[in-house]
Amino acid sequence: KQEVTQIPAALSVPEGENLVLNCSFTDSAIYNLQWFRQDPGKGLTSLLLIQSSQREQTSGRLNASLDKSSGRSTLYIAASQPGDSATYLCAVNAGNNRKLIWGLGTSLAVNP
Amino acid sequence: SAVISQKPSRDICQRGTSLTIQCQVDSQVTMMFWYRQQPGQSLTLIATANQGSEATYESGFVIDKFPISRPNLTFSTLTVSNMSPEDSSIYLCSVVRTQGSTFFGQGTRLTVV
Repeated sequence: KQEVTQIPAALSVPEGENLVLNCSFTDSAIYNLQWFRQDPGKGLTSLLLIQSSQREQTSGRLNASLDKSSGRSTLYIAASQPGDSATYLCAVNAGNNRKLIWGLGTSLAVNP
Repeated sequence: SAVISQKPSRDICQRGTSLTIQCQVDSQVTMMFWYRQQPGQSLTLIATANQGSEATYESGFVIDKFPISRPNLTFSTLTVSNMSPEDSSIYLCSVVRTQGSTFFGQGTRLTVV
């Protein structure tokens, strides 16, 4: 059974720091992995999608990597800003049925 | 990307009543997904809504409590029936587009009193 774990559960950093959020999964047979952002009480915004054949994806200050063999993905945020404060969730698509398996998220606070 | 309009964005409901949540997608999709996010928890899939057939429910969720309609390829509703305070959650609909990227509606924050 696929399980997804995110570390740390919460993170507080001063503005301008580069930071790394971690996501691990137990079954390396995945279809893709996706990172999302959720603001308090709101829906989810898709940040980056990494297909199983890819190693990384970049969008602006965000870079996500995928190492299937070790069951890990990282989300790197460069030069963090207060507007980056949110919960970051990773989700694994374990097969072609499109169902996602979710981590519990990392709650990020970037302090001015 | 996909534009998904979900409403209502929030509601406060009395115990024992029902609430219907709507999701409208800007283009046709085969499957739509309904999730629940309880306070402090991650997302839990309730069911997959297929056009032209009954929804497929996940373990722990039943049609009598969460009836779903899918009248066409751009629209779906989820009803939370006979509500209790334990149903207070954020409810989200989502679709999967090209290459497996998932997009969500804005969410419905439900409080049952």
